[in-house]
Amino acid sequence: DVKVTQSSRYLVKRTGEKVFLECVQDMDHENMFWYRQDPGLGLRLIYFSYDVKMKEKGDIPEGYSVSREKKERFSLILESASTNQTSMYLCASSPQSGAKNIQYFGAGTRLSVL
Amino acid sequence: QKEVEQNSGPLSVPEGAIASLNCTYSDRGSQSFFWYRQYSGKSPELIMFIYSNGDKEDGRFTAQLNKASQYVSLLIRDSQPSDSATYLCAVTGGTSYGKLTFGQGTILTVHP
Repeated sequence: DVKVTQSSRYLVKRTGEKVFLECVQDMDHENMFWYRQDPGLGLRLIYFSYDVKMKEKGDIPEGYSVSREKKERFSLILESASTNQTSMYLCASSPQSGAKNIQYFGAGTRLSVL
Repeated sequence: QKEVEQNSGPLSVPEGAIASLNCTYSDRGSQSFFWYRQYSGKSPELIMFIYSNGDKEDGRFTAQLNKASQYVSLLIRDSQPSDSATYLCAVTGGTSYGKLTFGQGTILTVHP
């Protein structure tokens, strides 16, 4: 079974803090993704990575950065957390195998910024 | 125009009925189509994927794809209260690196 593990289920941070969200997958997938999910807005792609040290902006990258130093780990960084970054954050991974890009999701991190 | 649109819902069906969830997409180059189920407070889990025109069946679930009409649907037969969840349609292909574009989701409630 594919396992995507997010380091925290719940996080509470203060405005202006630097926040790290960690994601690890154990299936040797090339692609990894970070989404946020908000009521009424659905899943929105923040950043993705298709290889170690490679990253691409998604639809809403502002205020975020990412790091992928190892194939299995993809980190999302909030440089200076703001209240509008309160959300559910979902990490996903998929193999790089043509059209069969099934994405597997972690359990999610619910982040509250106060 | 939204790239992937789902019927707005919420959708409520009685137990044992057929639930029909619909999705349209705008990118004609789309190649792969996915249905995810998401229970409240949980992450999405894949329930069906389809690549070719026609029907694909898996247990009580049937995915239907019509690329000419840019339409994909999910039918749930013999709906159960445990099917109550948000269903997300996702589309890929025509873009790089397996990016998925998700619809907004349809909330399904199956009442006893």
